[in-house]
Amino acid sequence: DSGVTQTPKHLITATGQRVTLRCSPRSGDLSVYWYQQSLDQGLQFLIQYYNGEERAKGNILERFSAQQFPDLHSELNLSSLELGDSALYFCASSVSGFSFYGYTFGSGTRLTVV
Amino acid sequence: QQQVKQSPQSLIVQKGGIPIINCAYENTAFDYFPWYQQFPGKGPALLIAIRPDVSEKKEGRFTISFNKSAKQFSLHIMDSQPGDSATYFCAASMGPGGSQGNLIFGKGTKLSVKP
Repeated sequence: DSGVTQTPKHLITATGQRVTLRCSPRSGDLSVYWYQQSLDQGLQFLIQYYNGEERAKGNILERFSAQQFPDLHSELNLSSLELGDSALYFCASSVSGFSFYGYTFGSGTRLTVV
Repeated sequence: QQQVKQSPQSLIVQKGGIPIINCAYENTAFDYFPWYQQFPGKGPALLIAIRPDVSEKKEGRFTISFNKSAKQFSLHIMDSQPGDSATYFCAASMGPGGSQGNLIFGKGTKLSVKP
């Protein structure tokens, strides 16, 4: 157990629907990162939060949004889902907002859009 | 260029062999280069990392070699074991010593170590 908890582990939904992925960071970590992993694109950075504030944004679609709450858990909202959104979504956390301390990844949420 | 190119896509070696995974980058603003290991059903885990002012770093059986002028770096696994079978990702980050949070990952190398 890495200490980063992601729920749910699996999600199957239809095109056009909206889903919410949840992440609880490792105890003491202030920064949360969301990544999308697909076979053709690999691991793509979506967004980073640090202590409740958005810190950096990557290739996140406008249909996707995220937030980090006062208790430091984070949610990634995916709406108007398309078949191409099917992927593994990983949350990672770190004690600071800097990558050189290393990330701790969760086990991911596998999203299947049908 | 915000890319890290990784090769090969897959690699099969015998137990005890030394698999080598290579990565190349273009952006000289990258200043921190970690390697992550991912087992099936798990998230990636940090294995070893290097900064460009160092040409080589060893941690146990894992060694990173870094060639700043060629903008290339590689991972060597000494005395590889079946338990090393996993997908390996190189990555890069910008800012002094990786002071930016997000990592740019290569597409991964699936390593299989045969007994």
